[in-house]
Amino acid sequence: EAGVVQSPRYKIIEKKQPVAFWCNPISGHNTLYWYRQNLGQGPELLIRYENEEAVDDSQLPKDRFSAERLKGVDSTLKIQPAELGDSAVYLCASSLGASGNTIYFGEGSWLTVV
Amino acid sequence: AQTVTQSQPEMSVQEAETVTLSCTYDTSESDYYLFWYKQPPSRQMILVIRQEAYKQQNATENRFSVNFQKAAKSFSLKISDSQLGDAAMYFCAYRGTPLRDDKIIFGKGTRLHILP
Repeated sequence: EAGVVQSPRYKIIEKKQPVAFWCNPISGHNTLYWYRQNLGQGPELLIRYENEEAVDDSQLPKDRFSAERLKGVDSTLKIQPAELGDSAVYLCASSLGASGNTIYFGEGSWLTVV
Repeated sequence: AQTVTQSQPEMSVQEAETVTLSCTYDTSESDYYLFWYKQPPSRQMILVIRQEAYKQQNATENRFSVNFQKAAKSFSLKISDSQLGDAAMYFCAYRGTPLRDDKIIFGKGTRLHILP
């Protein structure tokens, strides 16, 4: 069974440019998460979806970040315009339900803003 | 708000020896879940072990076991017979229940070095 798939793995952009990350969760997983991980830190939740609905986006910087999960499967996370401080690894994860079930992570998308 | 604290930024252990990574957390809830995740240099987070708070018995997965002390809000990870492949960042994580706030919260991690 395929795991959580993310793309691109690595992205280098100039500040003020837009960038988008794509995530395909594990088949059947209705809960999808986007985390941001800064170097030497633990992941921090940006947004959580239950099917198509964003149920927790309190940590998402809405002035420049947006996310969508059309049809409750794939998801995209967009940053426009990117700032130097956005350099981080963006992790997508999924789980079956919103209970204590295990969250499975993708390999991450490493963003460098120069 | 719940918090997770890992007080050891880095640890080293000799290959084949045993090491314990510490984790404490703060919550007012009685029902929750605790996890240890491993993140090797490839950066993919991999679940090592999980513990349900309502279970008194400590979880065990092969060479990995936990010491869950609910009253003390402590959740340490013991790695026995350490192997070179165990070298990674280890994150302790807390997750509440759907009726409360089931957002998963991570500690800052402990980098584990395995000495040959």
